[in-house]
Amino acid sequence: DQQVKQNSPSLSVQEGRISILNCDYTNSMFDYFLWYKKYPAEGPTFLISISSIKDKNEDGRFTVFLNKSAKHLSLHIVPSQPGDSAVYFCAVLSSNTGKLIFGQGTTLQVKP
Amino acid sequence: SQTIHQWPATLVQPVGSPLSLECTVEGTSNPNLYWYRQAAGRGLQLLFYSVGIGQISSEVPQNLSASRPQDRQFILSSKKLLLSDSGFYLCAWSVGSSWETQYFGPGTRLLVL
Repeated sequence: DQQVKQNSPSLSVQEGRISILNCDYTNSMFDYFLWYKKYPAEGPTFLISISSIKDKNEDGRFTVFLNKSAKHLSLHIVPSQPGDSAVYFCAVLSSNTGKLIFGQGTTLQVKP
Repeated sequence: SQTIHQWPATLVQPVGSPLSLECTVEGTSNPNLYWYRQAAGRGLQLLFYSVGIGQISSEVPQNLSASRPQDRQFILSSKKLLLSDSGFYLCAWSVGSSWETQYFGPGTRLLVL
């Protein structure tokens, strides 16, 4: 029973173009959403987050969009750079339980 | 600044052997500590978390256990490893009620043969 799903295991994008990573969740009680980035043989690092009271949060080249009615979260990277190549995990937080639940991850490859 | 250490970085163990992975955090007091596992093709699964010395909560029934003998030390153990225990084990920490922002260690890659 996966409460957080990233249905695309991989994504390949040309440098300079937009990367869009998607994430779906099942429980409308989740109230905080995060994206983590992970390089091989390293731990994930926090990238950007959004609370359920917002529908958009922007930080430089990274923008996270939240569609609560669709229970859908997306991360946009514009413009994409080769250094963005990594595995991206979405995660959700329920303030009731205080636990993070991670998706399976999407491997992004940005080609020069 | 805060840092988190995990060792070893890589471990190859035979089935049935014991396991001990260690995680230590520097530069902060009374952190929340977590053990996650990333199995091949799967997301990060929370195994254990601890809000204080000797306080361990288990998320998934398994043959693993965790202990927190000191404030900034978190240990993941097993008496007998299974093939299915192979994976990438990550330790993480957060402070206070900041469950949302967790900081991860470099991880340990465990291969059980």
